[in-house]
Amino acid sequence: GQNIDQPTEMTATEGAIVQINCTYQTSGFNGLFWYQQHAGEAPTFLSYNVLDGLEEKGRFSSFLSRSKGYSYLLLKELQMKDSASYLCAVRDSNTDKLIFGTGTRLQVFP
Amino acid sequence: SQTIHQWPATLVQPVGSPLSLECTVEGTSNPNLYWYRQAAGRGLQLLFYSVGIGQISSEVPQNLSASRPQDRQFILSSKKLLLSDSGFYLCAWSAESYEQYFGPGTRLTVT
Repeated sequence: GQNIDQPTEMTATEGAIVQINCTYQTSGFNGLFWYQQHAGEAPTFLSYNVLDGLEEKGRFSSFLSRSKGYSYLLLKELQMKDSASYLCAVRDSNTDKLIFGTGTRLQVFP
Repeated sequence: SQTIHQWPATLVQPVGSPLSLECTVEGTSNPNLYWYRQAAGRGLQLLFYSVGIGQISSEVPQNLSASRPQDRQFILSSKKLLLSDSGFYLCAWSAESYEQYFGPGTRLTVT
């Protein structure tokens, strides 16, 4: 079967660091994606991991462990504009389709 | 650079009425195209995807259909809307097996 789990909601303070976890179970794996979605808007692409390790892109980093079926998105120096939902998605290698989690709603407080 | 357009941005339709949502992509050729629906508080559900003109794969049996009359045009349709069709409809494109890029979406309310 296919299953992607992420926390429903998280809160953090402006300037802090927050880690959003994602665990997955898929019949085949060919990459993990993170998207950011502000309320009422479309998701925007943040990062892509296909090999184990950390990918850094400015204030955002994404980590993948394929053996553990685990990824996290790390947001540093949080800003108010980072308040959004963060979607974890896995590409199933058998179908080549993206399977999305339900998203983690992050609220950043001053 | 590539751009993806969707219209309309919002739509309010009565139950039983028809639906036509359009998506077009600029700046790329032979993209993979996708239709997703996002219901309130739920994840993205893949409805249809297309790897070429006239090639449509359906993911979920329902009263919706999709067509791809041109390389960079993807249309989502229904003959008779249901209340359960309400949601945020997103079109996306990708180049083969790379990341997907989403259009601005259409918020559909069926009354």
